Amino acid sequence: DAGVTQSPTHLIKTRGQQVTLRCSPKSGHDTVSWYQQALGQGPQFIFQYYEEEERQRGNFPDRFSGHQFPNYSSELNVNALLLGDSALYLCASSAIGGYYEQYFGPGTRLTVT
Amino acid sequence: AQTVTQSQPEMSVQEAETVTLSCTYDTSESDYYLFWYKQPPSRQMILVIRQEAYKQQNATENRFSVNFQKAAKSFSLKISDSQLGDAAMYFCAYRSLPGEDTDKLIFGTGTRLQVFP
Repeated sequence: DAGVTQSPTHLIKTRGQQVTLRCSPKSGHDTVSWYQQALGQGPQFIFQYYEEEERQRGNFPDRFSGHQFPNYSSELNVNALLLGDSALYLCASSAIGGYYEQYFGPGTRLTVT
Repeated sequence: AQTVTQSQPEMSVQEAETVTLSCTYDTSESDYYLFWYKQPPSRQMILVIRQEAYKQQNATENRFSVNFQKAAKSFSLKISDSQLGDAAMYFCAYRSLPGEDTDKLIFGTGTRLQVFP
């Protein structure tokens, strides 16, 4: 049973560029959440997708957008990259009605130069 | 809004000894979930233990146990018989009961645990 997978593992982009990160949820999960983890900090909630719709959103600007596909996989897009967007981006999957656990992927390390 | 505070940036323990990591939180909700996650250098966030606030009994998972003090809003993690593989960042996290706008995890800033042989 494959867990949560994310691609790519590492990414280096230039300020002002756009980036797309990808996530495949754990088998049987229908909900994907994205978190940003800056160096030395705890993860911060970006948004969550369920049934191909953004279900809730954290305190992130509109430059951060996402998408969920019919197979429940998800993308995180960040436009007009800033140096401060450099972070580890974590994807977590869960099942609606699953009361406890979000399962995390290994993350994508984004460096903006 | 809910907040989670971890006041110990770093802790260390000798192999086979016991260590306790602290976590406090603030909420006006009466029912919620609390978690401890472990993040080793591989970056993968791994669930260590969970506690439902309505349960008075403290959760236990093998060498890991919690001391949940609801009135004090305290949720500490005790690791017994520490092993070298326990070395990692540990994050305390809060989650409201499932609902329309409550599915997110709120994390503390983490505690780095070092284990010495």
